[in-house]
Amino acid sequence: NAGVMQNPRHLVRRRGQEARLRCSPMKGHSHVYWYRQLPEEGLKFMVYLQKENIIDESGMPKERFSAEFPKEGPSILRIQQVVRGDSAAYFCASSPSEAGTGLGGYTFGSGTRLTVV
Amino acid sequence: GDSVTQMEGPVTLSEEAFLTINCTYTATGYPSLFWYVQYPGEGLQLLLKATKADDKGSNKGFEATYRKETTSFHLEKGSVQVSDSAVYFCASAYGGATNKLIFGTGTLLAVQP
Repeated sequence: NAGVMQNPRHLVRRRGQEARLRCSPMKGHSHVYWYRQLPEEGLKFMVYLQKENIIDESGMPKERFSAEFPKEGPSILRIQQVVRGDSAAYFCASSPSEAGTGLGGYTFGSGTRLTVV
Repeated sequence: GDSVTQMEGPVTLSEEAFLTINCTYTATGYPSLFWYVQYPGEGLQLLLKATKADDKGSNKGFEATYRKETTSFHLEKGSVQVSDSAVYFCASAYGGATNKLIFGTGTLLAVQP
């Protein structure tokens, strides 16, 4: 049973380009979370999605960032017109239900390390 | 708002030494508490958790007790190994509609042979 799969592992973008980060949750998991880890900081919540629905995007920057979790396929975090400050590790996590953390915590992917040059 | 505060690292220990990594939280209610571990180049793995006051979470020789009176969830291990070298994150979560985790900044542990 594969874990949470994120790709690419490393992504380099020039300022102004778009970055697309993909996350395939564990089989049977329909809840996806995105977190961002800036250098020397802990993880910060960005967005929580269920299939075809954004449930909580309170941690997403208001501009340039968007996320989706379609009925079929992986969840996508999209960053338009990237800037140097977007350089970070972006982690996806999945859980089988709203009670994910209560039951046993999320399952995290290995992350995508975005570098903006 | 709610927050989690961890002791700053790095923490450098010799093999078989005793480990304590302090974690305190601020919360308006009674969250569940977690310790996650991140090995180099990998994602976070759940190490242990506690869901209510006085609960003790334990795994792989690590322990942490949910202390409501001191709002703490300190991580301990009696005898560390080189393979324990990693970044350790304390986190809290309420569950509910969003169930998001609030993380501390992480503590790097380096164990030397």
